[in-house]
Amino acid sequence: GAVVSQHPSWVICKSGTSVKIECRSLDFQATTMFWYRQFPKQSLMLMATSNEGSKATYEQGVEKDKFLINHASLTLSTLTVTSAHPEDSSFYICSADRGLVNQPQHFGDGTRLSIL
Amino acid sequence: LAKTTQPISMDSYEGQEVNITCSHNNIATNDYITWYQQFPSQGPRFIIQGYKTKVTNEVASLFIPADRKSSTLSLPRVSLSDTAVYYCLVGERTGGFKTIFGAGTRLFVKA
Repeated sequence: GAVVSQHPSWVICKSGTSVKIECRSLDFQATTMFWYRQFPKQSLMLMATSNEGSKATYEQGVEKDKFLINHASLTLSTLTVTSAHPEDSSFYICSADRGLVNQPQHFGDGTRLSIL
Repeated sequence: LAKTTQPISMDSYEGQEVNITCSHNNIATNDYITWYQQFPSQGPRFIIQGYKTKVTNEVASLFIPADRKSSTLSLPRVSLSDTAVYYCLVGERTGGFKTIFGAGTRLFVKA
């Protein structure tokens, strides 16, 4: 079964709205979670690394004030797309790591965000 | 983080064995090789991971030569449902390591 849950699975909203996406590790504690964005026919692009209890680390070119990340507990990270615009429409995916050697990352099923 | 190179796409027929090779010439000593499968509108799913030689599980085999500069994912007897994008990733298998995805290989399985 799924070990990382992402919610919502899809959202449609008007331009200017802020949208929050949740990523939960279901049966393990994740001190680190990752957020990706994927456009159609393209690969996943890492946006940021979410660290429990501290500030997220953003990849170059990703606006931290646009994509707010909060990792307040060991099982939950949230990504908020602030004042979303049509160009922010994409597929957002999170992943979590058990933090152990020989254990792969587990990915959520993604959130399809459509901004009208 | 080691960069990976894979074929952009591959075609196969049901029942055939499919081998997808990934090049990672600058792989580091502590790096593991991990393969993921992704269907449209879903997150990637773990297939297999290895460090050297051969690894086999219930869905695939992973062959890694001694120099570890490449790896081959082998899918036995593919079916239509194996049509997906396959990603090869290389990185340290310690907690919190970030994963950089390459372009992946789009596999089309035909009837």
